[in-house]
Amino acid sequence: QSVLTQPPSASAAPGQKVTISCSGSSSNIGNNYVSWYQQLPGTAPKLLIYDNNKRPSGIPDRFSGSKSGTSASLAISGLQSEDEGQYYCAAWDDTLNVVVFGEGTRVTVL
Amino acid sequence: QVQLVESGGGVVQPGRSLRLSCAASGFTFSGYDMHWVRQAPGKGLEWVAVVSYDGNTKFYADSVKGRFTISRDNSKNTLYLQMNSLRAEDTALYYCAKDLEWELTEYYFDYWGQGTLVTVSS
Repeated sequence: QSVLTQPPSASAAPGQKVTISCSGSSSNIGNNYVSWYQQLPGTAPKLLIYDNNKRPSGIPDRFSGSKSGTSASLAISGLQSEDEGQYYCAAWDDTLNVVVFGEGTRVTVL
Repeated sequence: QVQLVESGGGVVQPGRSLRLSCAASGFTFSGYDMHWVRQAPGKGLEWVAVVSYDGNTKFYADSVKGRFTISRDNSKNTLYLQMNSLRAEDTALYYCAKDLEWELTEYYFDYWGQGTLVTVSS
């Protein structure tokens, strides 16, 4: 069981917005930056967000990240069928001295 | 374009060893920290190890400390993971991943290989 808690699934209709939560503690999210990864079926993960809300080059602004206290969120607006897949949050944990990942949220486009 | 190609995976008995390689191209390999991240079948992601851009600093997850060794050869643009005393719970797809920032350990993985599967079974 991960120290970062994500809902197992989330869904929305095409064109709508879906938000994924990631809950942690003061030793990880509360005191460190959060990143988000997208893993489409059968592919390697892809960095979507780092430093809570920054997007690497090439990542569309439909993807946005935020953090408040010991929780973080990833929002995907203008949802498309190709967004279906697993989404993982990650953060450094000061107690474990390691980067930890959430267990992942499966996004389904209805 | 950045390419990371892992190799060396396979089926191995518990207690045996395996060496993974990751050939890098399309970027200045010697300027970036490199990581191994694994994913057990049907499971989430687990960070395994990091080696600094110059090879001088290495850190490991507790689950592999003392059994795995990460290294790199900047002259060959290649990352390695020597895995000894393998256990059934080490069964996973092993990805090599590049850190985001030049000469910094940020634990942001901006490029990943396709992974190489390690199966530990008798």
